[in-house]
Amino acid sequence: KQEVTQIPAALSVPEGENLVLNCSFTDSAIYNLQWFRQDPGKGLTSLLLIQSSQREQTSGRLNASLDKSSGRSTLYIAASQPGDSATYLCAVSRGSTLGRLYFGRGTQLTVWP
Amino acid sequence: DAEITQSPRHKITETGRQVTLACHQTWNHNNMFWYRQDLGHGLRLIHYSYGVQDTNKGEVSDGYSVSRSNTEDLPLTLESAASSQTSVYFCASSESLGKYNEQFFGPGTRLTVL
Repeated sequence: KQEVTQIPAALSVPEGENLVLNCSFTDSAIYNLQWFRQDPGKGLTSLLLIQSSQREQTSGRLNASLDKSSGRSTLYIAASQPGDSATYLCAVSRGSTLGRLYFGRGTQLTVWP
Repeated sequence: DAEITQSPRHKITETGRQVTLACHQTWNHNNMFWYRQDLGHGLRLIHYSYGVQDTNKGEVSDGYSVSRSNTEDLPLTLESAASSQTSVYFCASSESLGKYNEQFFGPGTRLTVL
């Protein structure tokens, strides 16, 4: 069974800091890894998708890396802003259970002015 | 713009009642998924479908059913609602499977079973 863990569970930083969110998974036979953002009371917004053959993906101030062999991904947020405050979730897709996502419990990020 | 919608957004019901949550997507995606989100558990898969007339059970399917009669809709039915089914329910869809499987989520339905 695929287990996905996110560390830390919560993070509070001042505006302007660069920060790293961590995601680890137990089964390295993944098809891809997806990072989501969830605002309170809202749905999930897809941020980045990294295919298993890729090492990283970038979108604006966000950079996600993937090390499949060690079962790890990191989401790097540059120059954090109060608007980045949300819960960040990672999820992996396995080949043996096509299309299904296995989620971590998320990191709750607060960026204060 | 193409989108995925869920209705109702909030629902309060009583134990034992049948409840149906609607999910509609306009991307023409073949793959649709239902998840529930609970504190301490994260998101867990309830049911999923790879196309019309196809349905499959996820890890927490007991007490739930789905049917897929067209590409756009995947309604989720709670046959006899229980307090343990109080949760936030999310519908998602994706165009393809495998490594290009990027899933897009609806806004969620908050269900309370009294």
